[in-house]
Amino acid sequence: NAGVMQNPRHLVRRRGQEARLRCSPMKGHSHVYWYRQLPEEGLKFMVYLQKENIIDESGMPKERFSAEFPKEGPSILRIQQVVRGDSAAYFCASSFRDRGISGNTIYFGEGSWLTVV
Amino acid sequence: DAKTTQPNSMESNEEEPVHLPCNHSTISGTDYIHWYRQLPSQGPEYVIHGLTSNVNNRMASLAIAEDRKSSTLILHRATLRDAAVYYCILRDRGSTLGRLYFGRGTQLTVWP
Repeated sequence: NAGVMQNPRHLVRRRGQEARLRCSPMKGHSHVYWYRQLPEEGLKFMVYLQKENIIDESGMPKERFSAEFPKEGPSILRIQQVVRGDSAAYFCASSFRDRGISGNTIYFGEGSWLTVV
Repeated sequence: DAKTTQPNSMESNEEEPVHLPCNHSTISGTDYIHWYRQLPSQGPEYVIHGLTSNVNNRMASLAIAEDRKSSTLILHRATLRDAAVYYCILRDRGSTLGRLYFGRGTQLTVWP
């Protein structure tokens, strides 16, 4: 059972370009979460999606950032017109349920490292 | 979610037990205590969670104080692979599973 798959692992973009980060959740998981980790900082929640629905985007910057989780295919985190401050590690996680506790946890991917030059 | 306080860093020698403390004096009755760890250049990894009783799994043990205002993650025999940042996180039972508040955590260094 493959884990959460993220690609690309490393991405370099020039200022003003677009970055697209992809996340395939674990098999059977329909809940996807994106986190950002800036250099020397902790992880910050960005957005929570289910298939074709954004459930909680309270952690998303108001501009340039968007996320989707289509009916088919991976979840995409899209950053338009990237700036140097967007350089960070972006982690995706998935879960089978969205709440409850017994046996439930979330599983993280290995991250996508974005560098803006 | 209630806040947790952890030491910035701790050190251990290989093969020795490690006790990682976490204070959560404002914990509510419905808050679960979760521990995750993050190895260098990797995503966080679930370690263990509990509510009131001590918990054991293949990775670690979780000791929860009787008043639940603190807890301790116990690694019984540290290995070099256990060097990571350990995060103690409170999550309300009714809140979304994946909406976690990560603090700065404790950087564990393991010496050979």
